[in-house]
Amino acid sequence: GENVEQHPSTLSVQEGDSAVIKCTYSDSASNYFPWYKQELGKGPQLIIDIRSNVGEKKDQRIAVTLNKTAKHFSLHITETQPEDSAVYFCAASILGAGSYQLTFGKGTKLSVIP
Amino acid sequence: DAEITQSPRHKITETGRQVTLACHQTWNHNNMFWYRQDLGHGLRLIHYSYGVHDTNKGEVSDGYSVSRSNTEDLPLTLESAASSQTSVYFCASPKDSSGNTIYFGEGSWLTVV
Repeated sequence: GENVEQHPSTLSVQEGDSAVIKCTYSDSASNYFPWYKQELGKGPQLIIDIRSNVGEKKDQRIAVTLNKTAKHFSLHITETQPEDSAVYFCAASILGAGSYQLTFGKGTKLSVIP
Repeated sequence: DAEITQSPRHKITETGRQVTLACHQTWNHNNMFWYRQDLGHGLRLIHYSYGVHDTNKGEVSDGYSVSRSNTEDLPLTLESAASSQTSVYFCASPKDSSGNTIYFGEGSWLTVV
């Protein structure tokens, strides 16, 4: 089955700096890669996703890049703010195969220092 | 707005007792999932369902069961609770017809003593 590795497990940045979280996946058939943000005591919230026919996607201060050849994808947060502090999870899935399961990385705890 | 809700949000139970966690979604979607979240393991799939009367085992299904008698609900049952099942449990379901974008409930914190 699919295996998703996520790095780093913890990340501290100064407010205003950029943060990058990286994930690798094992199954070359995976074609959908969402990112979730989880605040303390809450459920994971989808923040951005990318499909394998796209190399990069942006949404304001958040961007995701995908390298299918290397089987890795990354989350980029620019101009970080204290409210970006949370645990971030990457995930991988295969769309269109009748299966809708997500395989998650183990998470990255991001701390933005004011 | 349609949503996904879980209950109870917090529960303490004793080893050996049967426990059921409820999950209800108002998106009328066929797909529903149960995950558990543990430090160092991230989110792991317990069981999932693609429609009424359909249930499937996930990565960590031992000691758990689900049933799907209608579209809106997928209750998760711990047949005989064990301390290793102390965890946070999340139910999830897609909102739209494509089924691609999955949204999570707020979680159920379960402690087995």
